[in-house]
Amino acid sequence: EAGVAQSPRYKIIEKRQSVAFWCNPISGHATLYWYQQILGQGPKLLIQFQNNGVVDDSQLPKDRFSAERLKGVDSTLKIQPAKLEDSAVYLCASSLRVGRDSYNEQFFGPGTRLTVL
Amino acid sequence: ILNVEQSPQSLHVQEGDSTNFTCSFPSSNFYALHWYRWETAKSPEALFVMTLNGDEKKKGRISATLNTKEGYSYLYIKGSQPEDSATYLCAPVDAGGTSYGKLTFGQGTILTVHP
Repeated sequence: EAGVAQSPRYKIIEKRQSVAFWCNPISGHATLYWYQQILGQGPKLLIQFQNNGVVDDSQLPKDRFSAERLKGVDSTLKIQPAKLEDSAVYLCASSLRVGRDSYNEQFFGPGTRLTVL
Repeated sequence: ILNVEQSPQSLHVQEGDSTNFTCSFPSSNFYALHWYRWETAKSPEALFVMTLNGDEKKKGRISATLNTKEGYSYLYIKGSQPEDSATYLCAPVDAGGTSYGKLTFGQGTILTVHP
């Protein structure tokens, strides 16, 4: 079974530039997550999709971050314009479903390491 | 949203040493807890899912326990090897209202095993 794919793996940009990350979840997984992991902190949920609908985007800085999941499969996360504090690893994860019997086990991609100069 | 604390933040041990780390969280309002291992430049990998009905899991040299009453989980590594070097993350699963099913990650414990 292929895992969660993400690209690019690394990205260096200047502040105020734009950047986009791509994620392809495990086939058949309805739920997709984007996390931001800043050095020294745990991964923080930015947005959760169920199929192509947004379930939770309460911690997404909507003035500069946007995400979409067209057709309920691939997803892109965009930052426009980037700030220095956006330097982090951006992780994508997917899960089959959310429910007590599944314990919401999430499968992660390798992440994109973003450096904003 | 659960407040999750992991300790220590980092740990250096020699090959062959045994070690353990702690994950603390509010003792109510969760229904499972995940442990992940995250090696540099790789994907976080699921180690265990701890549930209210099970309080101990084991995989090779790694084991974990869960105390639901006092709100903590321990991860143990027996006879550490250099390949165990990674960040270990815990994540309780929220059982509360609009946060149902949400994983809240601790900041992780960075383990370095020296040959």
